[in-house]
Amino acid sequence: NAGVTQTPKFQVLKTGQSMTLQCAQDMNHEYMSWYRQDPGMGLRLIHYSVGAGITDQGEVPNGYNVSRSTTEDFPLRLLSAAPSQTSVYFCASSKGVAKNIQYFGAGTRLSVL
Amino acid sequence: QQQVKQSPQSLIVQKGGISIINCAYENTAFDYFPWYQQFPGKGPALLIAIRPDVSEKKEGRFTISFNKSAKQFSLHIMDSQPGDSATYFCAAGSAGYSTLTFGKGTMLLVSP
Repeated sequence: NAGVTQTPKFQVLKTGQSMTLQCAQDMNHEYMSWYRQDPGMGLRLIHYSVGAGITDQGEVPNGYNVSRSTTEDFPLRLLSAAPSQTSVYFCASSKGVAKNIQYFGAGTRLSVL
Repeated sequence: QQQVKQSPQSLIVQKGGISIINCAYENTAFDYFPWYQQFPGKGPALLIAIRPDVSEKKEGRFTISFNKSAKQFSLHIMDSQPGDSATYFCAAGSAGYSTLTFGKGTMLLVSP
């Protein structure tokens, strides 16, 4: 029973490097979201998807790209990492009429030097 | 614009005491109000949630109180235990959207 799986758990990048944070869920959930968590800021929505092929921006989308080619996967791409993107990133998924009941992964802790 | 305001930022309670965390929202379109619990190094996990058609929901030692007219809701943890020490987030959502708007979180420490 994997649920929402995020990889890697930890990553250190240099400014300007690119990388992809992976998120996969095995619950057949159509809704998936990415949040970032910063001290004293709570969780802020970056991008979300309501199904394969459909994505939209959240509160803090700048510097991030997403795509949703399958129901299971929702990767988050940083094209040119900046120190301001140092954060903990969480992926979440939900389903159907209970779309508000979000299940979170364990997170990816990212440091950009 | 902060749509969900949470207080206090941190809270220390003695074992057996009552922990109370408050949240206020602005958007009247919100109709789902969950509380998430997060332990260090883990992702948030749904603790308890309420919809505005009821004023209170209780699950074990955890109770949500909801005041629709004041646009406020709160989490009460009765008989607080050291194992309850965690960060708690309130959130709000609406029927048309899968995403949630979160408060900034409360770090709860229950002292033995």
